[in-house]
Amino acid sequence: QSALTQPPSVSGSPGQSVTISCTGTSSDVGDYDRVSWYQQPPGTAPKLLIYEVNNRPSGVPDRFSGSKSGSTASLTISGLQAEDEADYYCSSYTTSHTFLIFGGGTKLTVV
Amino acid sequence: QVHLVESGGGVVQPGRSLRLSCAASGFSFSRFGFHWVRQAPGKGLEWVAIIWYDGSKEYYADSVRGRFIISRDDSKNTLYLEMNSLRAEDTAVYYCARDRFTYHMDYWGQGTLVTVSS
Repeated sequence: QSALTQPPSVSGSPGQSVTISCTGTSSDVGDYDRVSWYQQPPGTAPKLLIYEVNNRPSGVPDRFSGSKSGSTASLTISGLQAEDEADYYCSSYTTSHTFLIFGGGTKLTVV
Repeated sequence: QVHLVESGGGVVQPGRSLRLSCAASGFSFSRFGFHWVRQAPGKGLEWVAIIWYDGSKEYYADSVRGRFIISRDDSKNTLYLEMNSLRAEDTAVYYCARDRFTYHMDYWGQGTLVTVSS
């Protein structure tokens, strides 16, 4: 498996909620709670948003939440703000060939 | 305050070698594992390698295994990535990131650009 599957793009209006999915297999997302989410605004380094499926580091607003069902993890952003425009990546520990795997990334547009 | 600063990037010919460094400060370096992650121009993130906090284990992506070596020098608070037999497809911004024991990365450097071209 080359990457976890994410939608290439999602969009929403200010104040709305959006959910980004991240689909893997039983070798990664399905069997392990080592799922993380990262936010990468244009031209900057990634920033940790969620770890271990649904935990937020200190400083990350509670508008960001994570969940998992089966082999699909999800990131939900509520109360969308213009500053949320960025690329979002999921990652997971995997037992398939490599050690860690990222999703292909999802571009969030706040319209 | 945690800081990670990568260096060593540049333009290199295919087949040649390059060593990247990541200088860490603001925390106890020897207590943490580290990752290298790369991002080709206009593309997504690709995990490259991890080294355990005590250097006892290393894991690599299939795309770099056998060509890249991750290492650390705790006396210098520095992480390294030795890249050999470089290919055009290795062209990317390379980030170092601190591991938080459950394989998530809580701090990232600003990245260093490696361009493999003749």
